[in-house]
Amino acid sequence: EAQVTQNPRYLITVTGKKLTVTCSQNMNHEYMSWYRQDPGLGLRQIYYSMNVEVTDKGDVPEGYKVSRKEKRNFPLILESPSPNQTSLYFCASSLGPTNEQFFGPGTRLTVL
Amino acid sequence: AQKITQTQPGMFVQEKEAVTLDCTYDTSDPSYGLFWYKQPSSGEMIFLIYQGSYDQQNATEGRYSLNFQKARKSANLVISASQLGDSAMYFCAMSPPGYSSASKIIFGSGTRLSIRP
Repeated sequence: EAQVTQNPRYLITVTGKKLTVTCSQNMNHEYMSWYRQDPGLGLRQIYYSMNVEVTDKGDVPEGYKVSRKEKRNFPLILESPSPNQTSLYFCASSLGPTNEQFFGPGTRLTVL
Repeated sequence: AQKITQTQPGMFVQEKEAVTLDCTYDTSDPSYGLFWYKQPSSGEMIFLIYQGSYDQQNATEGRYSLNFQKARKSANLVISASQLGDSAMYFCAMSPPGYSSASKIIFGSGTRLSIRP
C-alpha cells in the first residue's frame, strides 16, 4: 500500500530535549516536505527536499533541521525544542513540487 | 512574495446545495500549480483537485470543480450537491513552477465547511 508514515504520532516533551520525528514513504517520490499546522494559520512549510542530499528552507525553518540521506526517509529534528514549537506536524511526499502530495497521518507535538 | 488567501474562515451550507470556497493567490511567476486539499475531523489531508496555470480548461474531479480565473488570480473550489461527509476543513495551496530554484509550497489558512442536514 502506497503510504507516508510518521513516528511518533503523539509526543509530549520538555524544553531543550532533542527529538526526531521520522518520516518514510514507499512511493519512490523525489519531493518531500515537512509542515506545521497551527489554528488560523493553515499549513506552513518548514523544510523541503527535492531529492537525496538536496534540502531547502520553507517559510518557517527556524529551530528545525532535516536530512535526506535516503530517498524514502526525511526526518525532522528539533535540536532544542521550545514551547512555540508545540504544533501538529505533517510530512508529505510527491513526485515533484507540482504534483499531488501524499500526507502522513500527522504528529502532535507538545513542548512543555 | 507568493501568497494564498482564503477569506472565509467558516461556512454553513444546507445538504444537497452547491458550495463555493474562495481562494485568491498572488505570484509573479507565470507558471504555477493550484491545489485543494480536504482535512476531515479525523485529521488526515486528502488531495481533491489540481489546476495548472497553463491549463486551458477548469479542472473537474467528480463533484469537485475548480473555477480558475487567471486574470483575477482566483481558484475557487466548487462542490456540487454537498453531502454531510463534505464537512471538513479545506485548504487551497500553490506550488512553484516545477523544479525552480525555490520550490516552496504555500497553503492558505483554510475554510471550515459545515453541511447542515
